Amino acid sequence: DAGVTQSPTHLIKTRGQQVTLRCSPISGHKSVSWYQQVLGQGPQFIFQYYEKEERGRGNFPDRFSARQFPNYSSELNVNALLLGDSALYLCASSLAGLAPNEQFFGPGTRLTVL
Amino acid sequence: DAKTTQPNSMESNEEEPVHLPCNHSTISGTDYIHWYRQLPSQGPEYVIHGLTSNVNNRMASLAIAEDRKSSTLILHRATLRDAAVYYCIRAIYNQGGKLIFGQGTELSVKP
Repeated sequence: DAGVTQSPTHLIKTRGQQVTLRCSPISGHKSVSWYQQVLGQGPQFIFQYYEKEERGRGNFPDRFSARQFPNYSSELNVNALLLGDSALYLCASSLAGLAPNEQFFGPGTRLTVL
Repeated sequence: DAKTTQPNSMESNEEEPVHLPCNHSTISGTDYIHWYRQLPSQGPEYVIHGLTSNVNNRMASLAIAEDRKSSTLILHRATLRDAAVYYCIRAIYNQGGKLIFGQGTELSVKP
């Protein structure tokens, strides 16, 4: 079975631009979470979506938004990019939203903002 | 959200047990303790989780203090493939199941 897939793998943008990152969860998983990992630090929670509804939000500005589609794939959008948005963006899927399930992480999308 | 506290780095010899400590003194009663590990250029990988009781699985054991203010991840026999950054995590389930990662412990394993 395929694991969590993310696209693109790498992305270079300039300040002020907008970016969309994509995530496909493991088949059968209905929950998708997004994390930002700045170099040298642990991942930080951005959003969780379960059954196409936002179930959790981290401490990120409104420039960050996400959605989940009927097939449970998800997109993360970041507007008005700042240099500080440069990071590895990780997507994780799990079977259920609120239970202490194992989360399966994708390889991430490396975003560089110049 | 308060994060967990871990040593920045630890070193182990191959085939010896490793005890990775974690402090989570501000944890609430409903937060689970999760451990994940991350290899370079990969996403984190689940290791184990627990609430109050000690837990065992094929990868590791998790010992949780009675007051739940600390826990220890135990790798019974370290191998070279266990070299990674190990994260001790608060899992907050009344806020959508979000994982609060700390800084992690970089484990190196010597042959």
